[in-house]
Amino acid sequence: AQSVTQLDSQVPVFEEAPVELRCNYSSSVSVYLFWYVQYPNQGLQLLLKYLSGSTLVESINGFEAEFNKSQTSFHLRKPSVHISDTAEYFCAVSGTNTGNQFYFGTGTSLTVIP
Amino acid sequence: EAEVAQSPRYKITEKSQAVAFWCDPISGHATLYWYRQILGQGPELLVQFQDESVVDDSQLPKDRFSAERLKGVDSTLKIQPAELGDSAMYLCASSLLGASTDTQYFGPGTRLTVL
Repeated sequence: AQSVTQLDSQVPVFEEAPVELRCNYSSSVSVYLFWYVQYPNQGLQLLLKYLSGSTLVESINGFEAEFNKSQTSFHLRKPSVHISDTAEYFCAVSGTNTGNQFYFGTGTSLTVIP
Repeated sequence: EAEVAQSPRYKITEKSQAVAFWCDPISGHATLYWYRQILGQGPELLVQFQDESVVDDSQLPKDRFSAERLKGVDSTLKIQPAELGDSAMYLCASSLLGASTDTQYFGPGTRLTVL
């Protein structure tokens, strides 16, 4: 089975500072990678995903993530965070070798400090 | 924009009681998922439906949990009897076809507290 590791459970960062949320997964065989965001008292929303092609994927609100096959990583970055980015972020992996099942990491709580 | 609906949003119950959660996926989505999210952890799949059929319930504690999607549209997840360890957020999600490349759309969840 796949596994997803998010090493940082909590990340505090000042407003307008850059941030990186780390995600590593257990296998590089035919995987698809996702970042979901969960705002307080809401369900998860897709932020961005990597399926194939360019290893750098971007979201509409300034986040980007890079698929690194050799390091089995899919770190999420933003050059300048806003207060509204405060949320829980989950990395997830799926693939043909997971039976189409999604495996989620334990989440990283991003807190943007004014 | 279409959304996944869940009810109730919050449920408090005593152990040994029965509870039920309801989910209405996005119209046209063939695949429906029930996840359990324990505080501080990521969602874990309980059961996956393709239309009205169960395709994966390997992580569903079948001695006390049951799920159905009789007409292939909305779904109900039941726990009987509830135990203290069942306290968690129960999330429903849907996707168009259930492929590993599909985006899953999540509802707001039902937060269950078992006393």
